[in-house]
Amino acid sequence: QKEVEQNSGPLSVPEGAIASLNCTYSDRGSQSFFWYRQYSGKSPELIMFIYSNGDKEDGRFTAQLNKASQYVSLLIRDSQPSDSATYLCAGGRDSWGKLQFGAGTQVVVTP
Amino acid sequence: EPEVTQTPSHQVTQMGQEVILRCVPISNHLYFYWYRQILGQKVEFLVSFYNNEISEKSEIFDDQFSVERPDGSNFTLKIRSTKLEDSAMYFCASRATSAYEQYFGPGTRLTVT
Repeated sequence: QKEVEQNSGPLSVPEGAIASLNCTYSDRGSQSFFWYRQYSGKSPELIMFIYSNGDKEDGRFTAQLNKASQYVSLLIRDSQPSDSATYLCAGGRDSWGKLQFGAGTQVVVTP
Repeated sequence: EPEVTQTPSHQVTQMGQEVILRCVPISNHLYFYWYRQILGQKVEFLVSFYNNEISEKSEIFDDQFSVERPDGSNFTLKIRSTKLEDSAMYFCASRATSAYEQYFGPGTRLTVT
């Protein structure tokens, strides 16, 4: 069974600090990776995706991918209380196919 | 900004009944998906749909499930005879042809009693 693994948390982060979230995957065929934010009782909201090794920045968010280590991460800079949510990592084998989700990491940003 | 919409937001049904969950994907998207999330668990893939046919389905998507694009805007998931274990949030997602990103609708909470 191909898995996407995340630390469930909660990850407690002071307001203004950097939150660092990690994700590992077992399917070497996975090519693209996505970070979604999910507030309690709501649907996943896409933050960003990455498919090349290295870093990708979008505003306060930076995704990092290392395919050799099968590792994806998300950094949230200048964390705000509104960033408190569960962050889902997902991988896909191809651009049109299904996404396989991890269980999510709960982030709590404390004022 | 275009959004995926889903109706109803909450459906309560009795075990053994048929339910149809409806989705309106983003208008220029051609790839459609259904996922579900049982309370406290991972988001799980059910089925993908492109060009009026199923592209891929998971083990969960058995003969009790079907999908349809009845017209140019709607995409539906039918569960023929619901079971207690079908209780979950069901999310529809869509994707543009030239993009990687899948955008999720707000979900339908299905409660089977």
